[in-house]
Amino acid sequence: NAGVTQTPKFQVLKTGQSMTLQCAQDMNHEYMSWYRQDPGMGLRLIHYSVGAGITDQGEVPNGYNVSRSTTEDFPLRLLSAAPSQTSVYFCASSPRGDYGYTFGSGTRLTVV
Amino acid sequence: QKEVEQDPGPLSVPEGAIVSLNCTYSNSAFQYFMWYRQYSRKGPELLMYTYSSGNKEDGRFTAQVDKSSKYISLFIRDSQPSDSATYLCAKGHSGGGADGLTFGKGTHLIIQP
Repeated sequence: NAGVTQTPKFQVLKTGQSMTLQCAQDMNHEYMSWYRQDPGMGLRLIHYSVGAGITDQGEVPNGYNVSRSTTEDFPLRLLSAAPSQTSVYFCASSPRGDYGYTFGSGTRLTVV
Repeated sequence: QKEVEQDPGPLSVPEGAIVSLNCTYSNSAFQYFMWYRQYSRKGPELLMYTYSSGNKEDGRFTAQVDKSSKYISLFIRDSQPSDSATYLCAKGHSGGGADGLTFGKGTHLIIQP
């Protein structure tokens, strides 16, 4: 059981570039979500999904897109990277939201 | 007012002490709460989840929810240097948790050997 796997672990982008952060889980969890973590701001919810084909916006969705074509995968797309998107990104999954989420190890993104 | 508030610390205590970490929340309708531990440059790790009021114990950790005062607490007994980390309280984003989590900003805990 690998749990929640995020790739890449580190990435440097130039302003205006696009990229996809990958997230995969092998626990057959229905609920998945993306967060960003910034100093002094804590973890903030970007997008979430309650099952394949169903996604919705969280607290800070601007500049990000998601899709959920399978139960296992929940990629996060940055459409046109900005320095304000420099952050650590975490993906998480849960079989049932009130039992808590399992987090991946994160992607550290720098936009220059 | 942020929905979940935590004192950022740092909180420094000697090894072996009982640690008390606290959060307050704004809406009495919230029912599910969680505590996460995060080591530097790692992902958050679920410690405990709890529902509504009362205590829940797991080894050296006890989670407590006081609905009347909207207070969530995590107690760590016999604290160890390996407990040094940031502790995050969280609730379901809109209650149940299916739509993700809302976190406090975390309390940085230091256990002095």
